[in-house]
Amino acid sequence: AQSVTQPDIHITVSEGASLELRCNYSYGATPYLFWYVQSPGQGLQLLLKYFSGDTLVQGIKGFEAEFKRSQSSFNLRKPSVHWSDAAEYFCAVGAGGNEKLTFGTGTRLTIIP
Amino acid sequence: SQTIHQWPATLVQPVGSPLSLECTVEGTSNPNLYWYRQAAGRGLQLLFYSVGIGQISSEVPQNLSASRPQDRQFILSSKKLLLSDSGFYLCAWSAGKRARETQYFGPGTRLLVL
Repeated sequence: AQSVTQPDIHITVSEGASLELRCNYSYGATPYLFWYVQSPGQGLQLLLKYFSGDTLVQGIKGFEAEFKRSQSSFNLRKPSVHWSDAAEYFCAVGAGGNEKLTFGTGTRLTIIP
Repeated sequence: SQTIHQWPATLVQPVGSPLSLECTVEGTSNPNLYWYRQAAGRGLQLLFYSVGIGQISSEVPQNLSASRPQDRQFILSSKKLLLSDSGFYLCAWSAGKRARETQYFGPGTRLLVL
């Protein structure tokens, strides 16, 4: 079975600074990888996803993520954060032939002026 | 375009009372449907998923149940709520039957059991 770990529970960055959120997965073959964002009290919105091909994936709101098979990682990055990026971010992994996604426990992002 | 609705948005219920949360999807047919629970600091826990009418898979043994009486309707129920049932309940749908399909989430229902 697949699993995913988000080692950082809470990250604080200054507005305009760069951001990297970590995600590590466990799965024997190439997984399907997703990043979702959740604003307070809201549902989740897809930022980006990776299935195959180019390991650097571009998403919405200026986010990108890089799949690194050797490190079993799919870290989310943004070169310059905005106050509106404050939210909770979830990494998720899916496996072929399985309708389910497994979500990480999330990373809460706080932006300071 | 597709939309997903959940109601109620907020619910406060006493311990031992019944529960019914509803989720409906518009603009698509034969979706996969999912119920998740989000407890504080614990991420998303998949409770149930359904690939078609009357087909329910349970992920976690508990006092909750799910039903899919219509193609685009998914209901989460309980006969007797426990304090531990408090949380944020999210419904989601996906167009395909594989994990590579994007899941689209509803706005959620916040449940407080007292």
